[in-house]
Amino acid sequence: DVKVTQSSRYLVKRTGEKVFLECVQDMDHENMFWYRQDPGLGLRLIYFSYDVKMKEKGDIPEGYSVSREKKERFSLILESASTNQTSMYLCASRQYGYTFGSGTRLTVV
Amino acid sequence: AQSVTQLGSHVSVSEGALVLLRCNYSSSVPPYLFWYVQYPNQGLQLLLKYTTGATLVKGINGFEAEFKKSETSFHLTKPSAHMSDAAEYFCAVSTYGGSQGNLIFGKGTKLSVKP
Repeated sequence: DVKVTQSSRYLVKRTGEKVFLECVQDMDHENMFWYRQDPGLGLRLIYFSYDVKMKEKGDIPEGYSVSREKKERFSLILESASTNQTSMYLCASRQYGYTFGSGTRLTVV
Repeated sequence: AQSVTQLGSHVSVSEGALVLLRCNYSSSVPPYLFWYVQYPNQGLQLLLKYTTGATLVKGINGFEAEFKKSETSFHLTKPSAHMSDAAEYFCAVSTYGGSQGNLIFGKGTKLSVKP
């Protein structure tokens, strides 16, 4: 069965910390995505990548960056975490359909 | 530009009753439409999708949706709700079926099922 694995289910970080959210897929998919999910706002696209070392901004990239050094791994980076980045973060990969990870619930205090 | 509107952020039904979750889309090109379900503390799971062909699409767990171009709608239905259907449901649109085109999501509808 295909899998998208997000390394942490829950994270608590302090304001100003550099935060890494990791996502790994085992399907050899070229396309990977990071979404942010907030109540009443649905899923909003932060960044996506169509290939290794390639990245594109989504709808809400401010305050985030990404890294894709290997095809299977797509990392979301919060350079200096802020309380308004407290949210659920979902990673997905895509070939002919999307597969989502279970999410990382990040709390910034 | 594409967009999705889900009418009703919360819907409550009794067990055994009809489930109807509404989704309207906006797209300048023929859309590909999706419904996803999210159970508590889990990722999103595909319920069903419309790409081309038959406008009535059947999905998992007894759900189905009908693409109505004239109404720009893709409402999700299930004849008889089960307690296990309680979850959040997201409608999404894309310009392509799978290999290209990003998903644009609606804001979600939380379904509660009363015993």
